[in-house]
Amino acid sequence: AQSVTQLDSHVSVSEGTPVLLRCNYSSSYSPSLFWYVQHPNKGLQLLLKYTSAATLVKGINGFEAEFKKSETSFHLTKPSAHMSDAAEYFCVVSGTGTASKLTFGTGTRLQVTL
Amino acid sequence: EAQVTQNPRYLITVTGKKLTVTCSQNMNHEYMSWYRQDPGLGLRQIYYSMNVEVTDKGDVPEGYKVSRKEKRNFPLILESPSPNQTSLYFCASARDLIGTEAFFGQGTRLTVV
Repeated sequence: AQSVTQLDSHVSVSEGTPVLLRCNYSSSYSPSLFWYVQHPNKGLQLLLKYTSAATLVKGINGFEAEFKKSETSFHLTKPSAHMSDAAEYFCVVSGTGTASKLTFGTGTRLQVTL
Repeated sequence: EAQVTQNPRYLITVTGKKLTVTCSQNMNHEYMSWYRQDPGLGLRQIYYSMNVEVTDKGDVPEGYKVSRKEKRNFPLILESPSPNQTSLYFCASARDLIGTEAFFGQGTRLTVV
């Protein structure tokens, strides 16, 4: 079985300040982990993914995430928020072997203020 | 351009009137899946398919049907829609589930009155 917990349903930051979106996962297998972003009235776009290579993963638009097995975490960060980062972010886990689905967190809505 | 295409984007229907939401991908992906997105619940899987003629239930399959007669198409069928199926629906495809990216359609916003 696998699950994902996004620890914050809503995060608000000022433009130019760091972003931290938290994600913890549970998986019986060696997981693949993803962050997707959903802008209003849009589909989901892949930000970055972890697939058992480097534990620090860099994605698009300056985002990065660090896989920490000991903490079962995969937090998303960005050094400096931009207004265009305002969106909903989903942490996703997929398993190997017989796992047959992507399991989504409940999402974190990021608000960026001036 | 690699894409997943869903139709329609918006649909308002009445309780009990059968409807189909189409999904097509042009990437020759084996894996396809349907999700519904509801506030505070994230995306929950309805059905998935690992290949042609192979489909299986996800977490919330009640009230839905799917078919996979061709690799590129994976329609979602609501035989008798009810108001609790009002939601935002996404179709997704992936080459496989071992670390590869899933591609999502633009979504279908369904309202059942």
